[in-house]
Amino acid sequence: EDQVTQSPEALRLQEGESSSLNCSYTVSGLRGLFWYRQDPGKGPEFLFTLYSAGEEKEKERLKATLTKKESFLHITAPKPEDSATYLCAARNNNDMRFGAGTRLTVKP
Amino acid sequence: KAGVTQTPRYLIKTRGQQVTLSCSPISGHRSVSWYQQTPGQGLQFLFEYFSETQRNKGNFPGRFSGRQFSNSRSEMNVSTLELGDSALYLCASSWSGQGASKIMSPLHFGNGTRLTVT
Repeated sequence: EDQVTQSPEALRLQEGESSSLNCSYTVSGLRGLFWYRQDPGKGPEFLFTLYSAGEEKEKERLKATLTKKESFLHITAPKPEDSATYLCAARNNNDMRFGAGTRLTVKP
Repeated sequence: KAGVTQTPRYLIKTRGQQVTLSCSPISGHRSVSWYQQTPGQGLQFLFEYFSETQRNKGNFPGRFSGRQFSNSRSEMNVSTLELGDSALYLCASSWSGQGASKIMSPLHFGNGTRLTVT
């Protein structure tokens, strides 16, 4: 069965403390791996799409990478405004399957 | 460009009632998907519409239905509400071209309708 698993469930960082979030997937016929950010009371906001193993995308303090089995979202020198839930999703021809998310808290 | 608009933002219903949620996609987007989000299950795919036709359907009972109009606006209906239907219902639109471009288009989400069933 197609599955997307994110770890850790929750992560608390001090401001400036870099870390990585993991997204493991077993999805047949993967066509794209997506990262989203979700703030409380809002819908997910699109961050990146990764299409093939080895691909990397960057935006400000965030960098997403993709291998054949997992994706990482690296956060460099995070700030309190980076606090949010980060969701990854794997898309094939039928649907987009989401992981449960990682809830990131960055303390000043 | 206006984003995805969902109405209403909050809704309280009692068991057994039915509810209709509305979604206006981003202008030019012809594909609309619906998701249910709960703390325990995360984001669960309900269905996807393109050009007024249901293209894919998730694993939800027949009480959950939807439709899409010629202007790409979509509605979702839940009949005979149960307590377990309490959730955030999210609508997302995407640009749909042909072939690979359709599949790789990111979803753009609205802020959802928070449904509480009592």
